[in-house]
Amino acid sequence: EPEVTQTPSHQVTQMGQEVILRCVPISNHLYFYWYRQILGQKVEFLVSFYNNEISEKSEIFDDQFSVERPDGSNFTLKIRSTKLEDSAMYFCASREDHSQPQHFGDGTRLSIL
Amino acid sequence: TQLLEQSPQFLSIQEGENLTVYCNSSSVFSSLQWYRQEPGEGPVLLVTVVTGGEVKKLKRLTFQFGDARKDSSLHITAAQPGDTGLYLCAGEKGGTSYGKLTFGQGTILTVHP
Repeated sequence: EPEVTQTPSHQVTQMGQEVILRCVPISNHLYFYWYRQILGQKVEFLVSFYNNEISEKSEIFDDQFSVERPDGSNFTLKIRSTKLEDSAMYFCASREDHSQPQHFGDGTRLSIL
Repeated sequence: TQLLEQSPQFLSIQEGENLTVYCNSSSVFSSLQWYRQEPGEGPVLLVTVVTGGEVKKLKRLTFQFGDARKDSSLHITAAQPGDTGLYLCAGEKGGTSYGKLTFGQGTILTVHP
């Protein structure tokens, strides 16, 4: 069964550094999402992306965050200048259309030191 | 802010017992998903409910969507140790918020042999 794949599984970065989290959505999916889960807290929506533009973003997704679909297969989340509070699991999800459910990757654990 | 209150947060039962997990909100959702999440992995979809009053069964799991589409429940009959895990509900609103999932806090279920 096709899967959403995320790399790396664990990223350790110094505070203030830029980080790029990578996702390969399921190949025929058109809608892409990023969520995060701080340890012990709820999964939180960050951003949705369709047709090469952001559809919706949460208040968490400030100007330090950006997303990109640089080619036909990758979907990336960039954090420009990381903060300690960015430490979390980041999940990518994709779906074929609005009638279908979102499929999640296994996440990238981001640790900011 | 849409909130999904999931209860209980923790559930520890003996094999063979029945249990129910609840997901409640003051908001109406166009659909509600139930996911199961294993440690180190992303949420895996169990079921999507769309219609008010809808009931779906998945083996020993029964999912119900409230008539007003504001609440949902997951009932497990004759729980087994293999049911142990984290269960998440997530609601999706329609319109311009299509795709944005609002998650509950999760229920950590432990089934003892």
